[in-house]
Amino acid sequence: GENVEQHPSTLSVQEGDSAVIKCTYSDSASNYFPWYKQELGKGPQLIIDIRSNVGEKKDQRIAVTLNKTAKHFSLHITETQPEDSAVYFCAAKTPREGGKLIFGQGTELSVKP
Amino acid sequence: GAGVSQSPSNKVTEKGKDVELRCDPISGHTALYWYRQSLGQGLEFLIYFQGNSAPDKSGLPSDRFSAERTGGSVSTLTIQRTQQEDSAVYLCASSTPGPGAEQYFGPGTRLTVT
Repeated sequence: GENVEQHPSTLSVQEGDSAVIKCTYSDSASNYFPWYKQELGKGPQLIIDIRSNVGEKKDQRIAVTLNKTAKHFSLHITETQPEDSAVYFCAAKTPREGGKLIFGQGTELSVKP
Repeated sequence: GAGVSQSPSNKVTEKGKDVELRCDPISGHTALYWYRQSLGQGLEFLIYFQGNSAPDKSGLPSDRFSAERTGGSVSTLTIQRTQQEDSAVYLCASSTPGPGAEQYFGPGTRLTVT
C-alpha cells in the first residue's frame, strides 16, 4: 500500500521568513495530494491540495509543488506569521485504495515573532 | 452550515470496558471516514463508508474495533475490551463522492484508557 514520509518533524522560523515542508510517497498511482493544518485541540483543516495532472498550485502565501517523477511534493509558506504556527500534515490518495488518505507524520511549525 | 460533529469530546474509560464514539457528518456527504491519531503521530486510517457500498475496513487494527453507519448518516465507532494502547484521538471526516473531494474533519474524540 501507499506510504507517505514527511520531513522535517519540527520547523522553527522567524516571522516573515519562508517555510518549506517536504513529503515523498511510494505509490506512483497516487493522484491527489492534500495538505492539512491542525491547530491544538482541533481537527485537521484542508489548506491546499494538488492533483497529479498539475505541477504547482498557489493560493496567496501558500503554494504546493508536485514532482511525479521523483514522487515528492512540497508545501511552501511565504511571509510566515505567528498564526501559521500549527502542525501540518501531507497526505496522498490512491485510486485503487478508494477514498482513504494516507498521511505523513506531521510537521510542527513554529513561527517566532 | 454545520460541520462534522463528534461526541463525546473526551472519554476516559477503564481498561476492559467498551466505548462508543459518535460522528455526525455534514448533511449530504455520502462518504465518511474514521482515523486515529496517537500522541504526536500522523493520522492512521481505520474505516471508510461510501454510500450503500460495503465499507473498507482494511485499517481496523483488531477485531475489537467495529463501526457502523445507520441510514447513510450518523456513524458509531465501537471499541470493545479497551486496552491502554487504544488511547488516542479518534477523528471522523466526511466528504462528497469523487476522487478529489475534500475531507472535512470533526474536532475528534480524545479517548484515554486507564
